[in-house]
Amino acid sequence: GQQLNQSPQSMFIQEGEDVSMNCTSSSIFNTWLWYKQDPGEGPVLLIALYKAGELTSNGRLTAQFGITRKDSFLNISASIPSDVGIYFCAGQGSGGSNYKLTFGKGTLLTVNP
Amino acid sequence: DGGITQSPKYLFRKEGQNVTLSCEQNLNHDAMYWYRQDPGQGLRLIYYSQIVNDFQKGDIAEGYSVSREKKESFPLTVTSAQKNPTAFYLCATDRGLAGTEAFFGQGTRLTVV
Repeated sequence: GQQLNQSPQSMFIQEGEDVSMNCTSSSIFNTWLWYKQDPGEGPVLLIALYKAGELTSNGRLTAQFGITRKDSFLNISASIPSDVGIYFCAGQGSGGSNYKLTFGKGTLLTVNP
Repeated sequence: DGGITQSPKYLFRKEGQNVTLSCEQNLNHDAMYWYRQDPGQGLRLIYYSQIVNDFQKGDIAEGYSVSREKKESFPLTVTSAQKNPTAFYLCATDRGLAGTEAFFGQGTRLTVV
């Protein structure tokens, strides 16, 4: 089946630093999604990307859909303590059973005040 | 208030007992999904349903069962055949189309003692 490699697995940073994480796939995806999960809660959608090369921002967050359609990255600028959590990427294929999402294993972000 | 409701938030059961987790949505989404999350792990797909009265096994369906009698509801039963049922269970929904975005419930933490 389709696999997503998300890196890094975890990050420990100081408040104010920028953060970058990425996902790569063995398959082409038509949609990339980025989620954040707080402890004990369900993931919340941060950014959705629908077109190869697309660059989208949401406040301090910026994500890009790779040109090859096999990768995506998420950047967080000027991190703050409430950025702590697990960030997941997810990719969606082109049709049939490929409408369901494939998730990366997540990046655990810790921000030291 | 629109959204996805999982209940209960916390559930304790004795080993050998079946238990059913509830997932209700009022988003009018066609597709519903159940994921399992273990510490340090990503989201693993248990079952999904793209239409009423139809569902498909995901990657880790053994020891679980589902039903989809109504569009709004997709309950998950964790049976006694599931060898390691203690986990965080997440329900998600989307429109079941290309380029759709999935939304999650708040999760149910199941502990089997």
